[in-house]
Amino acid sequence: QSVLTQPPSVSAAPGQKVTISCSGSSSNIGNNYVSWYQQLPGTAPKLLISENNKRPSGIPDRFSGSQSGTSATLGITGLQTGDEADYYCGTWDSGLSAVVFGGGTKLTVL
Amino acid sequence: QVHLQESGPGLVKPSQTLSVTCTVSPGSISSADYYWGWIRQHPGKGLEWIGYIYYSGNTYYNPSLKSRVTISLDTSKKQFSVRLSSLTDADTAVYYCARYLNLGDAFDIWGQGTMVTVSS
Repeated sequence: QSVLTQPPSVSAAPGQKVTISCSGSSSNIGNNYVSWYQQLPGTAPKLLISENNKRPSGIPDRFSGSQSGTSATLGITGLQTGDEADYYCGTWDSGLSAVVFGGGTKLTVL
Repeated sequence: QVHLQESGPGLVKPSQTLSVTCTVSPGSISSADYYWGWIRQHPGKGLEWIGYIYYSGNTYYNPSLKSRVTISLDTSKKQFSVRLSSLTDADTAVYYCARYLNLGDAFDIWGQGTMVTVSS
């Protein structure tokens, strides 16, 4: 059981928009920055979003992040088949004194 | 662009100690801007943070693994390593090294990962 809760899967059609939620508590998301990672099949995770909503250089603006209270959301617009991947949220948990990740969400672009 | 590369044994026996090394190139691992960390992923499962080390040598470990983990830094070789003792088959996983942003609270650069199987 992960400290951060994500839906196991989401799906949408090409060109559409999807959001992936990440639910936590005051000891993690509520008081620490959230990051998001994309893991394409058979590859290492890749940073998409840091500090709740900042995109590293090279990440298209189709990807966005937001945080409110003890939840965070990753948004992806203009879906492409190449976006099919597992997506993970992560943050520091002050109570556990540990970096924690969500269980991951598998995105299917139908 | 900084590149991280893991090197590990592939197969280790139960009860033994695993050692995996990550080589950073180019650049220095003595910067105050980063931590150097380890994350593992069990087959078909999610990500699990193992721990990380700061350039000063300060270490931070996952409480669930703390009794069995040691992370160390060799600045002269631009390498950092993880040792995990008393292995069981539950330690079979892909082990990733990654750079953690001190002010960004995120793993921004990852190695490709190395698969470690614990089996007799």
